[in-house]
Amino acid sequence: DGGITQSPKYLFRKEGQNVTLSCEQNLNHDAMYWYRQDPGQGLRLIYYSQIVNDFQKGDIAEGYSVSREKKESFPLTVTSAQKNPTAFYLCAAGRGPEYEQYFGPGTRLTVT
Amino acid sequence: AQSVTQLGSHVSVSEGALVLLRCNYSSSVPPYLFWYVQYPNQGLQLLLKYTSAATLVKGINGFEAEFKKSETSFHLTKPSAHMSDAAEYFCAVSEGFTGGGNKLTFGTGTQLKVEL
Repeated sequence: DGGITQSPKYLFRKEGQNVTLSCEQNLNHDAMYWYRQDPGQGLRLIYYSQIVNDFQKGDIAEGYSVSREKKESFPLTVTSAQKNPTAFYLCAAGRGPEYEQYFGPGTRLTVT
Repeated sequence: AQSVTQLGSHVSVSEGALVLLRCNYSSSVPPYLFWYVQYPNQGLQLLLKYTSAATLVKGINGFEAEFKKSETSFHLTKPSAHMSDAAEYFCAVSEGFTGGGNKLTFGTGTQLKVEL
């Protein structure tokens, strides 16, 4: 069953702690993406990676970091520098511009 | 930069009525356009996409959308709403990155409510 898995589904952290969100895909797509979703704001691109060992900042990268050591995996770390980390985080994978991106089920992060 | 505007953050229809969700885009090149649906606390699922093959695009669950270049629109319709259509709908425009992959720019979403 091909797709994207994200874990955990819900995550709670205290302010000042770094937290890593997992994203794995078995679609064999080169490109992977992280989005943040807030109510009424749609989805905003945090980071993307077009190939292993390479990634670029998206529109709202401050306070986040990523790695891409394997084609299948693209973890996102929310650092303590992110001023408002509570949000729904979505991972996606895809090919070129005429193709859709496939989304994982999301991780809801709550920081208090 | 590309952008997407979805008019109406909330739309309410009666079961069996026409669904019309509006999307206007801005793009400097011929666009690739997508409609996604999101159910609560879930990821996004593709409904349909426009990639210049045909202006009227049919998708899953009875949805379709028409690309109108002169109006820069890509409105989503369904002839008869069902309770299971209640969800949030996102329109997105795609632009390619050098070296592969693409950026999706999303609208702010339209929450569809279906009433008995």
